[in-house]
Amino acid sequence: DVKVTQSSRYLVKRTGEKVFLECVQDMDHENMFWYRQDPGLGLRLIYFSYDVKMKEKGDIPEGYSVSREKKERFSLILESASTNQTSMYLCASSLRGDLLNTEAFFGQGTRLTVV
Amino acid sequence: AQSVSQHNHHVILSEAASLELGCNYSYGGTVNLFWYVQYPGQHLQLLLKYFSGDPLVKGIKGFEAEFIKSKFSFNLRKPSVQWSDTAEYFCAVNGDSNYQLIWGAGTKLIIKP
Repeated sequence: DVKVTQSSRYLVKRTGEKVFLECVQDMDHENMFWYRQDPGLGLRLIYFSYDVKMKEKGDIPEGYSVSREKKERFSLILESASTNQTSMYLCASSLRGDLLNTEAFFGQGTRLTVV
Repeated sequence: AQSVSQHNHHVILSEAASLELGCNYSYGGTVNLFWYVQYPGQHLQLLLKYFSGDPLVKGIKGFEAEFIKSKFSFNLRKPSVQWSDTAEYFCAVNGDSNYQLIWGAGTKLIIKP
């Protein structure tokens, strides 16, 4: 059973803080993703990574960065947290390869509140 | 650019009612289509998917979806809903990427007991 684990379910941070969200998957998936989920907007892709040390910007990368030093771990970094980054953050992973393998497996989510 | 439209943001039904949630996408080529579900307090999980072949796809928990290429639609259906179907449902499409899914805004379904 695929497991994607996010380090925190709930976080409260102050404006201007540097915030790290961690995600680990145990199925040797090449692809990993960070989304944010906001009511009425669905899931919006922040960054994704298709291999160790590789990253690509998604639709809303501003204010975020990522790190993938090991295949199983993908970190999202908020360089200087702002209140408009209050959201639910979802990590996902999937196999690389042909299009048939684009099913994504999700973590439980981290609800981040920036005050 | 690809996009996905889910017509209803909130749907409220009584138990045993029939369900149809709409999903339309904009992409002219070959598509892979997905419905995901997020039960309260749980992670997003795959409900069903269409890659090719029979356009009527059956998923878990009695759900099915029909791909109608001419209408660019992939509507989700269930003949008789249960209280436990209360959840948020997301439609997603992959058209031209090996990585990225394009997501609809989601439909919150509430089933009254």
